[in-house]
Amino acid sequence: EPEVTQTPSHQVTQMGQEVILRCVPISNHLYFYWYRQILGQKVEFLVSFYNNEISEKSEIFDDQFSVERPDGSNFTLKIRSTKLEDSAMYFCASSEADTQYFGPGTRLTVL
Amino acid sequence: GIQVEQSPPDLILQEGANSTLRCNFSDSVNNLQWFHQNPWGQLINLFYIPSGTKQNGRLSATTVATERYSLLYISSSQTTDSGVYFCAARFRGGSQGNLIFGKGTKLSVKP
Repeated sequence: EPEVTQTPSHQVTQMGQEVILRCVPISNHLYFYWYRQILGQKVEFLVSFYNNEISEKSEIFDDQFSVERPDGSNFTLKIRSTKLEDSAMYFCASSEADTQYFGPGTRLTVL
Repeated sequence: GIQVEQSPPDLILQEGANSTLRCNFSDSVNNLQWFHQNPWGQLINLFYIPSGTKQNGRLSATTVATERYSLLYISSSQTTDSGVYFCAARFRGGSQGNLIFGKGTKLSVKP
């Protein structure tokens, strides 16, 4: 069964550094998403992406965040200058229509 | 505002017991999904169920859209069922993305 994959599974970085989280959505899906989950809290929507542009973003998704689909398979989330409060699990998801399928997540730790 | 509320927040069961988890949502939905977050943090898609009833093995779910709630039934629970169960909804009038998650029900199944 096709699945969403994410790399790396765990990323440790210093405050102020840039990180890129990578995702490979399910191949025939057209809609892509990023969510995050701070430890012990609920999952929060960050951004959705369709037809090579952002279709919706939350208040969390400020200027330090960006997304890109650099080729036909990858979907990336870049955090330009990480802060301590960016430490969280980041989930990528994709959908063909309504059902969203989530990747296994990248645990980001900012020191 | 738009809300997804889950109950109970915590549930402890003996192996073999049955349970019902509830999700209330504050407005009409286009999409409702149930997820299981395992101890490794992965979000496993259980059901896409904006209305009606579905069954998959020991799990089943029912959404009564007119009354704005969904129920997840776990029968003959096993220790591997432990984890956090999330309900997430996309509301009518919302855009393609933006699944709104509840805070989850943390289930512990004891041997």
